[in-house]
Amino acid sequence: GESVGLHLPTLSVQEGDNSIINCAYSNSASDYFIWYKQESGKGPQFIIDIRSNMDKRQGQRVTVLLNKTVKHLSLQIAATQPGDSAVYFCAESNMDSSYKLIFGSGTRLLVRP
Amino acid sequence: GAGVSQSPSNKVTEKGKDVELRCDPISGHTALYWYRQSLGQGLEFLIYFQGNSAPDKSGLPSDRFSAERTGGSVSTLTIQRTQQEDSAVYLCASSLGFLNTEAFFGQGTRLTVV
Repeated sequence: GESVGLHLPTLSVQEGDNSIINCAYSNSASDYFIWYKQESGKGPQFIIDIRSNMDKRQGQRVTVLLNKTVKHLSLQIAATQPGDSAVYFCAESNMDSSYKLIFGSGTRLLVRP
Repeated sequence: GAGVSQSPSNKVTEKGKDVELRCDPISGHTALYWYRQSLGQGLEFLIYFQGNSAPDKSGLPSDRFSAERTGGSVSTLTIQRTQQEDSAVYLCASSLGFLNTEAFFGQGTRLTVV
């Protein structure tokens, strides 16, 4: 099935450093991508999105990069803070799949004080 | 309400019993998803409702699982004859659905089968 449960890869970073979380997506027809953050005991929350006509989009302390050639998405978090510790998921969708969001397997970010 | 609401927030049930989990999506959202998340793991897609179209049930793990969405709004996920491996957090999300937009998640229902 899609995104069947796997033990999550973990990225450990020092507080204040920049974090880069990567995601490889599956469908070359996907034209919309989202990053979600999930804190312990909560549902995933929207961080930032990007459409396929862009290759970079910036938010507050976060930047999403899209490389359609290699079907790769990344989330960069500047000056990582303890509150950034969470699981991060990428998701993709497209009109051909009736806009169904398909999630990646997720990455756990641990911020060391 | 302002967000996606799920009930109950926690459910403990005995093996073999049936359970129903409820999701109230954001008003006006035509798309609704159910996901399952086991402890420390990723999101497992279960089912997707989009407007009046036939639901995408491709993620349901067995015929013990079913879901319906009445009147294009509230959805119920039913698990029959629960097994211990059904223990997980069940997350519901909704979105506008007719174009590429974000989905909003509820807080989930934590199901424990004992």
